[in-house]
Amino acid sequence: GENVEQHPSTLSVQEGDSAVIKCTYSDSASNYFPWYKQELGKGPQLIIDIRSNVGEKKDQRIAVTLNKTAKHFSLHITETQPEDSAVYFCAASLYGNNRLAFGKGNQVVVIP
Amino acid sequence: EPEVTQTPSHQVTQMGQEVILRCVPISNHLYFYWYRQILGQKVEFLVSFYNNEISEKSEIFDDQFSVERPDGSNFTLKIRSTKLEDSAMYFCASSESGQGVGQPQHFGDGTRLSIL
Repeated sequence: GENVEQHPSTLSVQEGDSAVIKCTYSDSASNYFPWYKQELGKGPQLIIDIRSNVGEKKDQRIAVTLNKTAKHFSLHITETQPEDSAVYFCAASLYGNNRLAFGKGNQVVVIP
Repeated sequence: EPEVTQTPSHQVTQMGQEVILRCVPISNHLYFYWYRQILGQKVEFLVSFYNNEISEKSEIFDDQFSVERPDGSNFTLKIRSTKLEDSAMYFCASSESGQGVGQPQHFGDGTRLSIL
């Protein structure tokens, strides 16, 4: 089955700087890549997603890029704020298959 | 904004007992899912459910697990005879559709299941 890996496991950034989290996936047939943010005591919240027919997608301070050849995708957060501190999960799924394969998560800490 | 709700937030059960975890998916969603996360490990897919039947299940979802949509709003996960290794956070999710490329899944806040 699909295997998703996330790096780094913990990321500390100064407020206002950018944060980048990278994920790799194993199955070249995967074509849907969502990112989730999880705050303490809450469930994963979908923040952005990308499909394999697109190379990049932006939503305000958040962007996701996809490199199908290298089988990796990244989350970019610009102008980080303290409320961006959370665990971020990447995931992948195959066409017609709703099973999401998750990475292990990244703890992002924004230092005021 | 509509959300997935799960109850209880924390369930403590003796090993060997049956437990039922409850979820109310987003009202216009048609596909429902259960995932679990054992402490320190990845979130793992258990099962997906559509049109009153299981559409896919993982190797984790063995005979001790079952799912049901008992009425028009609830979606439940039953674990028949709990084991210590069933201790985990269980997440329910729902999506509007399950067809085509990538349907966004929205998650509840989870039920923490502790088996003693």
